[in-house]
Amino acid sequence: EDQVTQSPEALRLQEGESSSLNCSYTVSGLRGLFWYRQDPGKGPEFLFTLYSAGEEKEKERLKATLTKKESFLHITAPKPEDSATYLCAVQAIGGSYIPTFGRGTSLIVHP
Amino acid sequence: NAGVMQNPRHLVRRRGQEARLRCSPMKGHSHVYWYRQLPEEGLKFMVYLQKENIIDESGMPKERFSAEFPKEGPSILRIQQVVRGDSAAYFCASSRVAGGHPNEQFFGPGTRLTVL
Repeated sequence: EDQVTQSPEALRLQEGESSSLNCSYTVSGLRGLFWYRQDPGKGPEFLFTLYSAGEEKEKERLKATLTKKESFLHITAPKPEDSATYLCAVQAIGGSYIPTFGRGTSLIVHP
Repeated sequence: NAGVMQNPRHLVRRRGQEARLRCSPMKGHSHVYWYRQLPEEGLKFMVYLQKENIIDESGMPKERFSAEFPKEGPSILRIQQVVRGDSAAYFCASSRVAGGHPNEQFFGPGTRLTVL
């Protein structure tokens, strides 16, 4: 069974204080790993897809990286508007393309 | 270029009533997924549909819940005889034809169901 574990569950940062969120996964064969951002009361917003170990993708202050066992979402010099819950999901090779989601990391950035 | 649309955004039902949640996928998307999210919990997969077909309903409770995606019109998630435990946020997502590639899912704003 595919498993996704995100850590920490919650993270508080000061504005400008860089940090990383972790997504550890167990999957028989990785088709893709997804990162989403979810604001309170809203649906998840797609951020990145990573396909293979060693791949990196960037968007503004966010950079996602992937190894064979985990992914990191690095946040550089965060701003209060980066406060949200960040979700990680994996999609396995085979099956019906249903991704398995982690519980998310709740990030709060204080001004 | 409209995203995934869901309505209603908020739905209040009394125990025993029926709840109907609607989802229109993004333009060009033919795959629809329904998820349930409870506070402090992750997204739980319920059902995956293509037009006129249920592909995977492994996450759907066996009783009271049903889903459809007709040839014309939105996808519908129907909950009959609602109970308080059905109160949750229900999200719909859509994706393009999967093919051999990872296919990103794009989510709607959700329907928040409250059962009194």
